[in-house]
Amino acid sequence: EVQLVESGGGLIRPGGSLRLSCASSGFTVSSSYMAWVRQAPGKGLEWVAVIYSGGTTYYPESVKGRFTISRDISKNTLYLQMNSLRAEDTALYYCARDSKQQLVLDYWGQGTLVTVSS
Amino acid sequence: DIQMTQSPSSLSASVGDGVTITCRASQGININVNWYQHKPGKAPEVLIYAASILQSGVPSRFSGSGSGTDFTLTIIGLQPEDFATYYCQQSYSSPPTFGQGTKLEI
Repeated sequence: EVQLVESGGGLIRPGGSLRLSCASSGFTVSSSYMAWVRQAPGKGLEWVAVIYSGGTTYYPESVKGRFTISRDISKNTLYLQMNSLRAEDTALYYCARDSKQQLVLDYWGQGTLVTVSS
Repeated sequence: DIQMTQSPSSLSASVGDGVTITCRASQGININVNWYQHKPGKAPEVLIYAASILQSGVPSRFSGSGSGTDFTLTIIGLQPEDFATYYCQQSYSSPPTFGQGTKLEI
């Protein structure tokens, strides 16, 4: 059974850093396309990072240069390193898997909440 | 990045009704559109991928169509569990982008 469990969220001051983790089971993270998607309070879904099975990564302009997606093969875990955090980064962050490798997210975690506030 | 524009932003319907949600891409994206359902307190779920392919386990009352820049999600015979927010998402180029969502209310 595929499972994705996010952790690492919390309250952080503007300008601070946070690393989110997504512990995965039932499949191999390095063989899948993996993504982080967020939902700010009262807003829609925003795709914030993707890593292809080959290691290529993409980010939207809103987080480029501040966020980094990575994976640890030995721990079968996905990460999102978030630096220079802003109030507008406050959101529920979901980890998701694209098993079809077509940028279709068919497995999702339950999310971890990040609050950026002074 | 490719922009996805959904309409309407909200929609009221009754159990048993049929509804259609549209999504327009800022450039041609072939059939590279996926549709998700999102309920409060739960993770999103994919309903349709590649514009018209029903994800395994999704009821057949959901269907999708379109190509190029214009796409639709249709639900016939609305059930109580269908009242949620729906998002389109382009998978034509990275980074993928979502539409702003359509809230389907009773």
